[in-house]
Amino acid sequence: GAVVSQHPSWVICKSGTSVKIECRSLDFQATTMFWYRQFPKQSLMLMATSNEGSKATYEQGVEKDKFLINHASLTLSTLTVTSAHPEDSSFYICSAPTQGNQPQHFGDGTRLSIL
Amino acid sequence: GEDVEQSLFLSVREGDSSVINCTYTDSSSTYLYWYKQEPGAGLQLLTYIFSNMDMKQDQRLTVLLNKKDKHLSLRIADTQTGDSAIYFCAESLTGGGNKLTFGTGTQLKVEL
Repeated sequence: GAVVSQHPSWVICKSGTSVKIECRSLDFQATTMFWYRQFPKQSLMLMATSNEGSKATYEQGVEKDKFLINHASLTLSTLTVTSAHPEDSSFYICSAPTQGNQPQHFGDGTRLSIL
Repeated sequence: GEDVEQSLFLSVREGDSSVINCTYTDSSSTYLYWYKQEPGAGLQLLTYIFSNMDMKQDQRLTVLLNKKDKHLSLRIADTQTGDSAIYFCAESLTGGGNKLTFGTGTQLKVEL
């Protein structure tokens, strides 16, 4: 069964809206979670590393004020796309390693469509 | 930086074997993974291999690693229509706690 739960699975909203996406680890604690973005027919690109109890680490070119990450507990990380615009429309996926250096398991992704 | 390349498309007949190839540039890569993505879904971990291994077999899946050539392959035996998906290889320097660099993805189409 799923070890990482992501919610919502699909969001459609108007331009200018802020959207929050949740990523939860099920039955394990995740001090680190990762947020990826995937455009159609493309690979996954890491956006940021979410660290429990400290600031997220953003990849080059990713606006930290645009994509707010909060890792408030050992089982939950949230990604908020602030003032979303059509170019933010994408598939957002989170992941977490179950333990130490164990492989990352991925959520089912959130399809974000901004009108 | 790291660069991971895959061929974009592979078509096979049901029952045949599929071989999906991946090349990477970072010789420091320690862990190499194969993920499967079905349309509109997240990624499913298929298998992974440590850089000190040459081969790993898991049921219908065989992973081969040529560290000298920085080449990774995934062989799917007796390919089924349910295997149709996009397959991503990924590499990490220190394992799951470190970020993954994904390949470009290979779309596998299984025909009857």
